[in-house]
This record gives sequence, structure tokens and C-alpha cells, in this order.
Amino acid sequence: DAGVTQSPTHLIKTRGQHVTLRCSPISGHKSVSWYQQVLGQGPQFIFQYYEKEERGRGNFPDRFSARQFPNYSSELNVNALLLGDSALYLCASSLGWGHYNEQFFGPGTRLTVL
Amino acid sequence: EDKVVQSPLSLVVHEGDTVTLNCSYEVTNFRSLLWYKQEKKAPTFLFMLTSSGIEKKSGRLSSILDKKELSSILNITATQTGDSAIYLCAVEPSNFGNEKLTFGTGTRLTIIP
Repeated sequence: DAGVTQSPTHLIKTRGQHVTLRCSPISGHKSVSWYQQVLGQGPQFIFQYYEKEERGRGNFPDRFSARQFPNYSSELNVNALLLGDSALYLCASSLGWGHYNEQFFGPGTRLTVL
Repeated sequence: EDKVVQSPLSLVVHEGDTVTLNCSYEVTNFRSLLWYKQEKKAPTFLFMLTSSGIEKKSGRLSSILDKKELSSILNITATQTGDSAIYLCAVEPSNFGNEKLTFGTGTRLTIIP
């Protein structure tokens, strides 16, 4: 069974550019969450989407946005990139709203901003 | 704001040793505590502990939740080099439908052969 997939694996951008990261959840999972993991830190919650609607948002600026498509895949967009946006971006999928939904993580996209 | 603190930050032991990793938390309306193992990139799920399931075991790994002390421990017995990884602890609040996880900074475990 395919797990959570993310693309691209690595990305190098320069300050001021924008980036789009993609995530495909495990088949049957309807919820997707995005996390940012800076080197040496634990993942930090950015967004959660369920049934194409935003269900949760972390403490990130408006430069960060996301959406979920009818097939439950998701995109994370970051505009006006800053050096501090360099991080591993993780996508996690789960069955959806409800109790004790385990979140399964994808391999991540390593973003480097120069 | 929810908070998770893990200790120690780093641990180096010899193969065969037993280790205990600690996690303490502050969360509004606790729902669950999760342990993940992160080797290269994707954190892989280990355990979920809840009010109705405060103790879990899988092979050499076990975990206990202490809701009174707002903490959890992860034990690994007879450690192997393959156990070398960062171990992450996370908590989830019980706001219905909000599956936001708050993570600690992790414990980096290194097993020396």
C-alpha cells in the first residue's frame, strides 16, 4: 500500500520567490495536515484540511496558504520566501475528524531558501 | 498555548542498554499523546496513549502515560543500532476535528555498537 507521498523531494529557491509543495494522502484518508520542521526542532503545525475545508491553522503568516482537492490531495503555497522558511515541510494524513486519528507522515520536502 | 518538553535532548548509550525517554506536556483539554521515531525524514508512528489506554507495548518498546503528572515515558530495552533516531513526543487537544499535533523538540538517541 502506498503511504503518504510528497513532491518535490528537494527544492532550492531564492528570497522573494514563491513555492508550491504537493501531498497525496493514503488512500481512504480524507484529512491532510501540513507541518514545518526547522533543523533541530520538532514539527510545527501549519494547516489542517478535511473535505476540502480548512479546519485548523497554526501561527504562520498569511504568506502561507493551502488547499485540498476533491481527490483529497493537497498543496501548500508559500509566497515571498524568506531565509527563515528553509525547513523540511511534512504532510500528514489521517482518516479524518473523529477520535484518536493517527496521523501518518510523508517523507517531506526539503526547502532551501538562498 | 499547548507545550511539550522532552528530555534529555540527546542520549548516547551502548548496544544492549535500556533507555528511558521523557515527555512532559501542557495542553488544553487533552485527547492523546503520541510517540514518533524520525530517522531520516518522515516521522513514523510508534504509540498513541489516551485516557483509556495509558500503557502500550510493542516488542522492545513500551510507553506509559501519567495523566496526573502530565507526562509520559518511552522505554527501549536491549537497544540496537537500528534504534538510533530522533524520538518525538506530541500531544493532541480534544477540540473536535482539530487534529493539530504539538511536538516537542525530540530526543536524539545514538546507539554505539
